[in-house]
Amino acid sequence: DVKVTQSSRYLVKRTGEKVFLECVQDMDHENMFWYRQDPGLGLRLIYFSYDVKMKEKGDIPEGYSVSREKKERFSLILESASTNQTSMYLCASSLKPPANNEQFFGPGTRLTVL
Amino acid sequence: ILNVEQSPQSLHVQEGDSTNFTCSFPSSNFYALHWYRWETAKSPEALFVMTLNGDEKKKGRISATLNTKEGYSYLYIKGSQPEDSATYLCALNSGYSTLTFGKGTMLLVSP
Repeated sequence: DVKVTQSSRYLVKRTGEKVFLECVQDMDHENMFWYRQDPGLGLRLIYFSYDVKMKEKGDIPEGYSVSREKKERFSLILESASTNQTSMYLCASSLKPPANNEQFFGPGTRLTVL
Repeated sequence: ILNVEQSPQSLHVQEGDSTNFTCSFPSSNFYALHWYRWETAKSPEALFVMTLNGDEKKKGRISATLNTKEGYSYLYIKGSQPEDSATYLCALNSGYSTLTFGKGTMLLVSP
């Protein structure tokens, strides 16, 4: 059974803190993604990675960075958390094309920045 | 940034009602269209991946159709049940690794 796990379901941090969100998949997928979901805005892509050590900016990369040192793990980093980064963060993975790009999602991390 | 539109934004129906939602997308950027169901406190799960114009897919009481020439897809739920309550997302694949998601339709089915 395919599985994507995220390190925390809920996280509370203070403004200015460095925050790490971890995502692990056990499906040997090449692609991994980080999204944030906000009311009325839907899922927005922050960063994605198509291979180890490779990363690409998504639609809203500002204020974030990522790390992919191993195929199964993709980390999202908030270098200096701000209140406008309070959101639900979702990780996903998929096979690389020409597969159908179905993405498998983790349960999400609800981050609150005070 | 591609524009994927979903309507309605939310929907409240009674158990047993049939319902449908719309996803529209730029037809010139089409490679595949995905539908996901996202239940509260769970992960989004794929319902359908559709690639061919005129395609129709079905899973139980849920079905979807695709029109790539005019750029829209419909999702139908026949005889809605409370367990169908969720946010339904469509996502456009333009031929690359990423998906562009619509904002979703939130469905609430009351007993």
